[in-house]
Amino acid sequence: TQLLEQSPQFLSIQEGENLTVYCNSSSVFSSLQWYRQEPGEGPVLLVTVVTGGEVKKLKRLTFQFGDARKDSSLHITAAQPGDTGLYLCAGSSGNTPLVFGKGTRLSVIA
Amino acid sequence: NAGVTQTPKFRVLKTGQSMTLLCAQDMNHEYMYWYRQDPGMGLRLIHYSVGEGTTAKGEVPDGYNVSRLKKQNFLLGLESAAPSQTSVYFCASRKQGIQPQHFGDGTRLSIL
Repeated sequence: TQLLEQSPQFLSIQEGENLTVYCNSSSVFSSLQWYRQEPGEGPVLLVTVVTGGEVKKLKRLTFQFGDARKDSSLHITAAQPGDTGLYLCAGSSGNTPLVFGKGTRLSVIA
Repeated sequence: NAGVTQTPKFRVLKTGQSMTLLCAQDMNHEYMYWYRQDPGMGLRLIHYSVGEGTTAKGEVPDGYNVSRLKKQNFLLGLESAAPSQTSVYFCASRKQGIQPQHFGDGTRLSIL
């Protein structure tokens, strides 16, 4: 069974601080996705990474896929209250359903 | 563009009652999924479908049944609801390949 471990589980920071959340596995994934979920809504895709070592930027968010395609990180620069939410990583291997991590709940305090 | 629509949004049931949750997508997606989300447990896959007329079990299928009679609809049934099935249920769909999953806004189900 493939598992994705996310850390930290909870994170509360002040506006303007930087942060990194991690998504780790002992399994290799063909691609990895990051989603953000806000209260009362379903998760929404932020990014997909498919190549080992790949780095993608989305405004103040930087996503990296590990060289061995077993792990990923999400770095947020100068966090804003609008970044508050549940961040989920999800890995894919071939045609099997996505494997989701349990999420990192981020709270950015103004 | 409605995307993925779940009905109902809220429901309270008594133990032993049955009900069906409906998921409809208007994006012509092949794959559809039902998840439950519980505090500290993340998203757990209940059942999924890779095309019209097909279904498969996920991680936590017991107590649930599904049907995909039409490509755009994926139904989740609870035959005899139990308090352990109190949860938020999410439906999702996607195209084939490395594609994003599009989620509905969830159904909040409480079983007393």
